[in-house]
Formats: sequence, structure tokens, C-alpha cells
Amino acid sequence: GQQVMQIPQYQHVQEGEDFTTYCNSSTTLSNIQWYKQRPGGHPVFLIQLVKSGEVKKQKRLTFQFGEAKKNSSLHITATQTTDVGTYFCAGERWGSNYKLTFGKGTLLTVNP
Amino acid sequence: DAEITQSPRHKITETGRQVTLACHQTWNHNNMFWYRQDLGHGLRLIHYSYGVQDTNKGEVSDGYSVSRSNTEDLPLTLESAASSQTSVYFCASSAQQDNTEAFFGQGTRLTVV
Repeated sequence: GQQVMQIPQYQHVQEGEDFTTYCNSSTTLSNIQWYKQRPGGHPVFLIQLVKSGEVKKQKRLTFQFGEAKKNSSLHITATQTTDVGTYFCAGERWGSNYKLTFGKGTLLTVNP
Repeated sequence: DAEITQSPRHKITETGRQVTLACHQTWNHNNMFWYRQDLGHGLRLIHYSYGVQDTNKGEVSDGYSVSRSNTEDLPLTLESAASSQTSVYFCASSAQQDNTEAFFGQGTRLTVV
């Protein structure tokens, strides 16, 4: 079945440093979504990428979707303590009818 | 405001007992999903439904069942709870449209002793 690999599993940074998490799918995706889960919380939708090579920005967060629509990345510039949490990518395969396959997530901790 | 709620938030049960976790959404979404979250495994799909009377198995469906008698609810039943089913369970819903953003409930922490 479809697999979505996400690295790194953990990332610890000093406040102000940048952070990147990478996601790779074994199959071509119709779209990829990113979610953030704060410690003790539930996943919250951040963004959806649909087009090949798409780049979207949300303030300090930059999301990219690869040309082949099999990989994606989330980059945070100048991390803040409010960025702490686990970031998940979730891919929707063509024909999977809204069913998402989640990566295992990257836990980001930020040292103030 | 529309929302998705799970109950109970925490539950402790004994091995072999039947347990039902409730999920209720007021988004009027046709798609509903149940996931379990375990350390090192991320979110794994248990069951999902695209509408009333429709249910489908996910990647880790053994020992679980769901029913969809209306749009708002998708209860998850553990037929005979096992210690391996100790986990955090999340329900989610999404619309059947191009933007398939999933809305998650607050989660249910289930401990099987």
C-alpha cells in the first residue's frame, strides 16, 4: 500500500534557528496536506498543496510540493517557542477518495 | 460554530470488555475517519465512512467496528478490548470537495488493563 515517509523524527533547535521537515511518498499524490499537533492536542490543518512544484507561504512557514508530486517539505524560518509540536504530512493518493495517509511526524522542540 | 466532539476523553477498561467511543460532528461532512495514534507510528487509519450506511476498513481495522446510521455520528466499537489497543484515538471529518481539510476531534485516551 501507499507509504509516506517523513524525516527527521525529532528536531531540537534554538529559538531563532530554522527548521525543515521532509515528506516522501511511494506513489504520486493528488494533493498533500500538513497538520500541526501541539503537545497533548489534536492535529490541526495547516495547508493543502495540489499543483506540481507549488510553493505556499504562511508568515514564517514555507510549504513546497515536488515536481513529481511525490515529495513535500515544510520550512520554518526563525523558530519561536510557539512553533513547538509535531508536524505531520498527509498524502492523498489518486483515487483514494479523500483518504489520507499520514507520515509519522516530526517532533519539533525549541529551546528559548 | 460547527465542531467535532469525542467522548469520553479518557477511559480505562479491562481486557475482554466491549468499548464504544463516540464521535459527533456538526459540520454536515459526509466523510468521517477513525485513527489511532501511538508513539513511533503516527496516525493510522482504523475505519472510515463516506456517508450513511457506508463503512470501510482502514489499515489497522482488526478488532474494531463502526456503524454510520446518520451523518453526524461514527461510533467506534472495540469488540473485545486488548492491551494492544491502548492508544489515543482520533476521529476526523472532511467534506467531499476539492479542499479535503480534515477536522479532528480532541481525542480519546483509552487504556486497556
